[in-house]
Amino acid sequence: GDSVTQMEGPVTLSEEAFLTINCTYTATGYPSLFWYVQYPGEGLQLLLKATKADDKGSNKGFEATYRKETTSFHLEKGSVQVSDSAVYFCALSRDNNDMRFGAGTRLTVKP
Amino acid sequence: DAGITQSPRHKVTETGTPVTLRCHQTENHRYMYWYRQDPGHGLRLIHYSYGVKDTDKGEVSDGYSVSRSKTEDFLLTLESATSSQTSVYFCAIRGSNYGYTFGSGTRLTVV
Repeated sequence: GDSVTQMEGPVTLSEEAFLTINCTYTATGYPSLFWYVQYPGEGLQLLLKATKADDKGSNKGFEATYRKETTSFHLEKGSVQVSDSAVYFCALSRDNNDMRFGAGTRLTVKP
Repeated sequence: DAGITQSPRHKVTETGTPVTLRCHQTENHRYMYWYRQDPGHGLRLIHYSYGVKDTDKGEVSDGYSVSRSKTEDFLLTLESATSSQTSVYFCAIRGSNYGYTFGSGTRLTVV
């Protein structure tokens, strides 16, 4: 079945460092891909999405490109801030009735 | 953002008792979902609804039932709570951009 694999955390970075969180997927057809972010004590929030190959989703300085040839959707940010500390989830949806999530990657950014 | 609230936010219950969690939305969205979040598993779909009285099972539906008698309310019932159902439960709705909006979660502890 469809599944998402993301890099294990936790990830700890210093402020202004470059961030990459790897995400790969397994799915038939052409799923839509998503990144969600979860701050402590809150529900998940949609961060960005891409619906077809080579699309780039971007929001708040984060970006990810839908790479069908490598079945990947890696999350990147050029300069992280302390406020970016959260858990990040990669997800896919093939028919929008079953969003499949990765296990989550906890990011901590230190001043 | 769409209005979505979950109640209660926290609950402790005893093994073998029934428990009902409530999800309420104010945006008239057709699709609603219940997920559970556990360490190392990300979010897993329990049940979802695609309209009033229309529901279907997700990946981890055993031991759970749902009901949707009104568009705005989606109830999740643990018929006889077990310790393995200790988790954080999230309700979500699907917006027009196909991303999901999540509630703030219910932390359930079964003792």
